[in-house]
Amino acid sequence: DAGVTQSPTHLIKTRGQQVTLRCSPKSGHDTVSWYQQALGQGPQFIFQYYEEEERQRGNFPDRFSGHQFPNYSSELNVNALLLGDSALYLCASSRTGGLAQYFGPGTRLTVL
Amino acid sequence: SQQGEEDPQALSIQEGENATMNCSYKTSINNLQWYRQNSGRGLVHLILIRSNEREKHSGRLRVTLDTSKKSSSLLITASRAADTASYFCATESGGYNKLIFGAGTRLAVHP
Repeated sequence: DAGVTQSPTHLIKTRGQQVTLRCSPKSGHDTVSWYQQALGQGPQFIFQYYEEEERQRGNFPDRFSGHQFPNYSSELNVNALLLGDSALYLCASSRTGGLAQYFGPGTRLTVL
Repeated sequence: SQQGEEDPQALSIQEGENATMNCSYKTSINNLQWYRQNSGRGLVHLILIRSNEREKHSGRLRVTLDTSKKSSSLLITASRAADTASYFCATESGGYNKLIFGAGTRLAVHP
């Protein structure tokens, strides 16, 4: 049983560009959350998707958007990249009613 | 913004010693969870304690929760070099598994 998978592993972009990160949840999980982790900090909640809708959102600008597909996989899109968007982006999945979240290995985004 | 703080920020011990990390938070919670992160990669769920529980054990891990003080502690007994990692507490308070993380404690266990 595969756990949470994310792609790509690493990504380098320049300021102003757009990026799409992908996540496949653990089998049986229907909820996907995205977190941003700056170097030396704890993860910060970006948003959560359930039933293909954004259910909750953290304190992130509209440049951050997402999508969930019928197979529960999810994408995180960031437009007009800033240097401060450089971080590890983590995807976590859970099932309805479950309390524990399972995290993927993350995508390391570097904005130059 | 972070929910709370972990203390200490960094901890260095010898193999076989116990490691204690503390976490404080600001708002009422449904549960508190501890995660481990190796070398800036994905987080591994260690243990969850509900707001109506005071202590929980899992293998070499012991977690306590004091909701009156809005604090929790994680004890790792008989530490091993493989325990070297960053440890984060995370609180869940609004339902739907939205987690608010602290800044973490970096633990180094020396052989």
